[in-house]
Amino acid sequence: EAGVVQSPRYKIIEKKQPVAFWCNPISGHNTLYWYLQNLGQGPELLIRYENEEAVDDSQLPKDRFSAERLKGVDSTLKIQPAELGDSAVYLCASSLLLARGSYEQYFGPGTRLTVT
Amino acid sequence: AQSVTQLGSHVSVSEGALVLLRCNYSSSVPPYLFWYVQYPNQGLQLLLKYTSAATLVKGINGFEAEFKKSETSFHLTKPSAHMSDAAEYFCAVSDRGSARQLTFGSGTQLTVLP
Repeated sequence: EAGVVQSPRYKIIEKKQPVAFWCNPISGHNTLYWYLQNLGQGPELLIRYENEEAVDDSQLPKDRFSAERLKGVDSTLKIQPAELGDSAVYLCASSLLLARGSYEQYFGPGTRLTVT
Repeated sequence: AQSVTQLGSHVSVSEGALVLLRCNYSSSVPPYLFWYVQYPNQGLQLLLKYTSAATLVKGINGFEAEFKKSETSFHLTKPSAHMSDAAEYFCAVSDRGSARQLTFGSGTQLTVLP
């Protein structure tokens, strides 16, 4: 079974430029997450989708960040315009509902963004 | 709100020695708890999880963790460290009501010395 796929793996852009990240979750996982991971820190949730609906986007900086999940499968996270402080790893994860209401999240390899 | 604290951002052990990575959680009710490992330039991989079954949880690669409600702890251990265990380890918590929402600690970098 293929894992969570993300592309690109690395991206270097100049500040004020736009950038987009793509994620393909594990087949059958209806919950998809985007996380931001700064160097030396744990991941922080940006947005969570249940199928096509963004059910938790409270931590997404909506002035410059946007996300979509068309057809409830693949997802794209966009930053426009990028700032120096956006340099980080962007992780995508998907999850499956297990017995007794617990979830298990599977993470992709991440996209490392460098803004110069 | 749920939170976890990982004591020690860097831990070094000798190969063959005991590994102990500490995690304390903050919650008014026993939450779900997880340990993830992250190797360089890779995503996070689930090592083990506690979801209110047995308090001693065994995971992959010989790791285990014990849920102690009285100490609000979920420390990760491995009896004998291997060079391949060198990585960053994250403790995470979610409440049972919204088990999809994970809150991560700041991580512990494990170095294994030959």
